Amino acid sequence: GESVGLHLPTLSVQEGDNSIINCAYSNSASDYFIWYKQESGKGPQFIIDIRSNMDKRQGQRVTVLLNKTVKHLSLQIAATQPGDSAVYFCAEKRANNAGNMLTFGGGTRLMVKP
Amino acid sequence: KAGVTQTPRYLIKTRGQQVTLSCSPISGHRSVSWYQQTPGQGLQFLFEYFSETQRNKGNFPGRFSGRQFSNSRSEMNVSTLELGDSALYLCASSPRTGAGEQYFGPGTRLTVT
Repeated sequence: GESVGLHLPTLSVQEGDNSIINCAYSNSASDYFIWYKQESGKGPQFIIDIRSNMDKRQGQRVTVLLNKTVKHLSLQIAATQPGDSAVYFCAEKRANNAGNMLTFGGGTRLMVKP
Repeated sequence: KAGVTQTPRYLIKTRGQQVTLSCSPISGHRSVSWYQQTPGQGLQFLFEYFSETQRNKGNFPGRFSGRQFSNSRSEMNVSTLELGDSALYLCASSPRTGAGEQYFGPGTRLTVT
């Protein structure tokens, strides 16, 4: 069935470098794409979202890019810090859903080396 | 504001028993969603409540049910527990509808033996 998936299960980066976490989606009928961060023992934490009519959105040290042509979503983290080590999930909200039901991808573990 | 709170944090039950989990959303949030997280299936949507009405339901058997109270607090119930129900159950609340921005609690870790 249609799903939101991730390219890499684990990403290891050096502290201070930029990180790029990728996500592929197959459903064109989604109006929001969202990134969450989950640290060990905690619930997912909202990072940033992007509407389907946008290509790019920036937050504090994070940028989300949306390429609808190839159905690809990415999260860029600038100057990665040890506190960024976590599992990152992309999620989508279908446009035909008036509520807040989300479909999550499998997650990518980001490991930051000091 | 206080975050989403969930009780209990940890629970051990036996097959065949039932369990009730509780969630208190962030003050002012009227939408409450529940998710099940397992290593094998990842994060899966269970259901969403808004103003005491179930607005969405995921693909789970009828043993999983929930409700929301007038103060937006929510409970979920799992009857006739199975070993496969062992998971982290996450509650999330949202300040608005139709956008996907949700705030998660720490979860309830349910172990079924």
